[in-house]
Amino acid sequence: DGGITQSPKYLFRKEGQNVTLSCEQNLNHDAMYWYRQDPGQGLRLIYYSQIVNDFQKGDIAEGYSVSREKKESFPLTVTSAQKNPTAFYLCASRSLTTADTGELFFGEGSRLTVL
Amino acid sequence: KNQVEQSPQSLIILEGKNCTLQCNYTVSPFSNLRWYKQDTGRGPVSLTIMTFSENTKSNGRYTATLDADTKQSSLHITASQLSDSASYICVVQSGGSYIPTFGRGTSLIVHP
Repeated sequence: DGGITQSPKYLFRKEGQNVTLSCEQNLNHDAMYWYRQDPGQGLRLIYYSQIVNDFQKGDIAEGYSVSREKKESFPLTVTSAQKNPTAFYLCASRSLTTADTGELFFGEGSRLTVL
Repeated sequence: KNQVEQSPQSLIILEGKNCTLQCNYTVSPFSNLRWYKQDTGRGPVSLTIMTFSENTKSNGRYTATLDADTKQSSLHITASQLSDSASYICVVQSGGSYIPTFGRGTSLIVHP
């Protein structure tokens, strides 16, 4: 089935450790996004990428890093510099073809907890 | 600055009742507005899209409206079911941008 897959679903991290969240899509979408969601808050954009080997910072990029070496993959690394990393992380993709209606297709999310 | 405001923040209703969720936006230039449903612990899924020329659109028991003059949208849920318990997020896309603007969502709880 076509879709977007995030892993792991749950992740626990000790303070001072870096962790990487995986995001893979087989929708042939050009754009990919990472959002952070905290209780009672809307989705906040961390990073986004429109093409391979290029990405831009979102509103809350500090303490995070990404790469886009392949069209299908957009991993997010939560570094030890991120002061409050416990959150629900959502990856999304979007087609940028002429048929694009702006719909974002989301993965099932990864919940990161810092112990 | 583009903004999307949703109300109420949370809502509790009894199964079988109707409810209406509100979304006000200040996004320019306007391209379209989507309502997403997010079940707890899952990713959001699009329910409906409204473009500038559309006033009303239905998707089963969900009916969305758009008033582009007042920059308001609503999502009406008819004959609510327990499975409607979720967060409903209003998202507005501006023309020429790859970054949509998200509302904070309305948390709906349907009690039996």
